[in-house]
Amino acid sequence: DAGVIQSPRHEVTEMGQEVTLRCKPISGHDYLFWYRQTMMRGLELLIYFNNNVPIDDSGMPEDRFSAKMPNASFSTLKIQPSEPRDSAVYFCASSRQSTGENEQFFGPGTRLTVL
Amino acid sequence: GDSVTQMEGPVTLSEEAFLTINCTYTATGYPSLFWYVQYPGEGLQLLLKATKADDKGSNKGFEATYRKETTSFHLEKGSVQVSDSAVYFCALRKGAGGTSYGKLTFGQGTILTVHP
Repeated sequence: DAGVIQSPRHEVTEMGQEVTLRCKPISGHDYLFWYRQTMMRGLELLIYFNNNVPIDDSGMPEDRFSAKMPNASFSTLKIQPSEPRDSAVYFCASSRQSTGENEQFFGPGTRLTVL
Repeated sequence: GDSVTQMEGPVTLSEEAFLTINCTYTATGYPSLFWYVQYPGEGLQLLLKATKADDKGSNKGFEATYRKETTSFHLEKGSVQVSDSAVYFCALRKGAGGTSYGKLTFGQGTILTVHP
């Protein structure tokens, strides 16, 4: 089975540009999580969804960040406008809680560099 | 709120040395506890887990025991290898029920480097 798929793997953009990160969770999983990882702040949960509905977005840093999950097999994290301090590795993870399983499976991440 | 505290790193060991990475947590109720490992350039992978007090999780020679009395879940390995060099994260998940079910709370991560 394919794991969590993220695209692009690397993104370099200039300050002020819009950035869209994409995630395809594992089929059948009902939770999807977006994380950000930096050396300074470690691993931060930005937002998570259950059955395509956002449950907790308290980790989203500011209004420049938005996330959507239009269906069970796709989610996006958008930054508009991007700033250099947004440079980080962004991870998507999914899990299947409905059957009692509780392991989160992580994608390979998107390394974002904002110049 | 819930929190996880790991021993500060980085940790540097010689091959075949004994490893301990301390992890303590603060949470209400009966959380499940996890150790995740992140190899260079990759996402996190589940290493082991324990879902109730006194459970021992184990995988690839690593072990951790859920100690409710000390609110701890320390990671141990008897003989580390160079290939164990990675970042290790301790995490907890609250019990069933409530709006935060499914969410993991991670520690800050501990960098482990093993030299030949």
